[in-house]
Amino acid sequence: GAGVSQSPSNKVTEKGKDVELRCDPISGHTALYWYRQSLGQGLEFLIYFQGNSAPDKSGLPSDRFSAERTGGSVSTLTIQRTQQEDSAVYLCASSSSGTGRIYGYTFGSGTRLTVV
Amino acid sequence: KNQVEQSPQSLIILEGKNCTLQCNYTVSPFSNLRWYKQDTGRGPVSLTIMTFSENTKSNGRYTATLDADTKQSSLHITASQLSDSASYICVVSGAAGNKLTFGGGTRVLVKP
Repeated sequence: GAGVSQSPSNKVTEKGKDVELRCDPISGHTALYWYRQSLGQGLEFLIYFQGNSAPDKSGLPSDRFSAERTGGSVSTLTIQRTQQEDSAVYLCASSSSGTGRIYGYTFGSGTRLTVV
Repeated sequence: KNQVEQSPQSLIILEGKNCTLQCNYTVSPFSNLRWYKQDTGRGPVSLTIMTFSENTKSNGRYTATLDADTKQSSLHITASQLSDSASYICVVSGAAGNKLTFGGGTRVLVKP
């Protein structure tokens, strides 16, 4: 597609439930990122996928968080046993890659997760 | 530790006035610096991208400057409009340009 697509745009879930957030990157973009933005806070890095390399999971806040990227395209961020502090906007971004290039990062509009 | 600090955290300006936002970073090695505009409820949208060798770059009424020696950048908004009300985020890329470090953003409110 023309941009990065995220779904759902809004999700309200009960504490303790699992949720899945989806990101459809720009076609051909090999790099995909997940970020979290809590109310009034800056963007927090969660995980980074680059091609077929092992993902950089250094930003995942706990083992309740996991992400997959199937076929080098669509990615799913899964949060198990959600807690109220997980409430945030989850943003996905994708970029092309290539040594020495300026990467064109494009962000999706995010998924607003509310845990009640 | 790579860090990006922005100031002020927020500011209110009158429509038509100019303002300047600051960004200081400690990211090393440095690849490039970007300014993003984020409207409420939307994802960030790129305004400018600057590499080490670029000192200034403009995008309409937005002008970004970069001093790679002092590791400082600024974003100047000229003749502000109500639609400029948003958060402005400074983002620095490290080696190979793939790892991003985000500043906390500056929230700008333009009043009529």
